[in-house]
Amino acid sequence: GENVEQHPSTLSVQEGDSAVIKCTYSDSASNYFPWYKQELGKRPQLIIDIRSNVGEKKDQRIAVTLNKTAKHFSLHITETQPEDSAVYFCAAYSSASKIIFGSGTRLSIRP
Amino acid sequence: SAVISQKPSRDICQRGTSLTIQCQVDSQVTMMFWYRQQPGQSLTLIATANQGSEATYESGFVIDKFPISRPNLTFSTLTVSNMSPEDSSIYLCSAFLNTEAFFGQGTRLTVV
Repeated sequence: GENVEQHPSTLSVQEGDSAVIKCTYSDSASNYFPWYKQELGKRPQLIIDIRSNVGEKKDQRIAVTLNKTAKHFSLHITETQPEDSAVYFCAAYSSASKIIFGSGTRLSIRP
Repeated sequence: SAVISQKPSRDICQRGTSLTIQCQVDSQVTMMFWYRQQPGQSLTLIATANQGSEATYESGFVIDKFPISRPNLTFSTLTVSNMSPEDSSIYLCSAFLNTEAFFGQGTRLTVV
């Protein structure tokens, strides 16, 4: 079945440095790749997404890249801030019309 | 965007009983989804609920345990039946609007 793998499971970076989270997907027909941020006790919130006809998308300090040939996509956060600390989930919208989530990355920003 | 109201936000239930979780969307949506999230874990899809048809369940989840209703395009319920402590988790409903998934605030279920 469809599968999304996400790495690393935990990531600690110095405030101001960059953070990169990587995901791979199995369903070659997937065409939409959202990223969610989940703070403790709260619901997941969409932070950025990318569609299969685009290779890169940027929104201020956040960027996402997609390599359809290799079936992987990445989230890049630059100039990290304490409020970036959270769990981040990648996801893929599969050909079966459902969103499959990665296992999550717990990002910690060290002051 | 879409606003999803989910209730109850939390409940403590006795084993062997059932709990029905409700989700109301402020827009008409074709597809709604139910997820389970164990503490510190990812979201696991339980089933997809489309209006006018039976829900489609993922591997490891069955209708007798998690019956779902979808009476119209703005509402869905998930029932957790014959609960055991292993069912303790957070349950989230989700809806697609223009391929963006929005989530309810979740139901934190504790079975004792």
